[in-house]
Amino acid sequence: GAVVSQHPSWVICKSGTSVKIECRSLDFQATTMFWYRQFPKQSLMLMATSNEGSKATYEQGVEKDKFLINHASLTLSTLTVTSAHPEDSSFYICSARVDLNEQFFGPGTRLTVL
Amino acid sequence: SQELEQSPQSLIVQEGKNLTINCTSSKTLYGLYWYKQKYGEGLIFLMMLQKGGEEKSHEKITAKLDEKKQQSSLHITASQPSHAGIYLCGADGLLNDMRFGAGTRLTVKP
Repeated sequence: GAVVSQHPSWVICKSGTSVKIECRSLDFQATTMFWYRQFPKQSLMLMATSNEGSKATYEQGVEKDKFLINHASLTLSTLTVTSAHPEDSSFYICSARVDLNEQFFGPGTRLTVL
Repeated sequence: SQELEQSPQSLIVQEGKNLTINCTSSKTLYGLYWYKQKYGEGLIFLMMLQKGGEEKSHEKITAKLDEKKQQSSLHITASQPSHAGIYLCGADGLLNDMRFGAGTRLTVKP
């Protein structure tokens, strides 16, 4: 199957700083990428949907000014957590999709905010 | 939006026993996916079901989608410690955005 990578795989940052997470589709072009967040012992919650070249669509309750998403190309989407706080500590997973085909998930990024 | 209910939330079984996890939707499912995950790791794709009455198997895992396409079950036969993890069902929304059930945490005791 297709491969989606995320970088970094884990990051620790100080409260108030911003963190950027990259999501890349390595061997295919993804028309749509999705960002999920997962807290311990909970399921994946969809944060936003991003389409290349257009603004991301955020789920209700997700602050778009805090979680900046840029989908600059068909193989790269970035999620920037701005002014991160301890409550933003979570596991962030991206996925990529080509039209109506299968969705491919990245390995996730563990963010810890001190 | 599509809401998926999974049951049970957690399950502890003795190695060798069979088990079933259920996923129920409030709306008709057009694409139902089963994944396995260990927290802090990526998702492992298990199976996708699209047609009413469809059933797929892989090794000791069988997934079914009912005729009305609102309920799916995942059945594991003769469970092993390697089956332990979190099982998630996911379904496509109108914008092909996949949403997940709350997950079922499976523990298999040797």
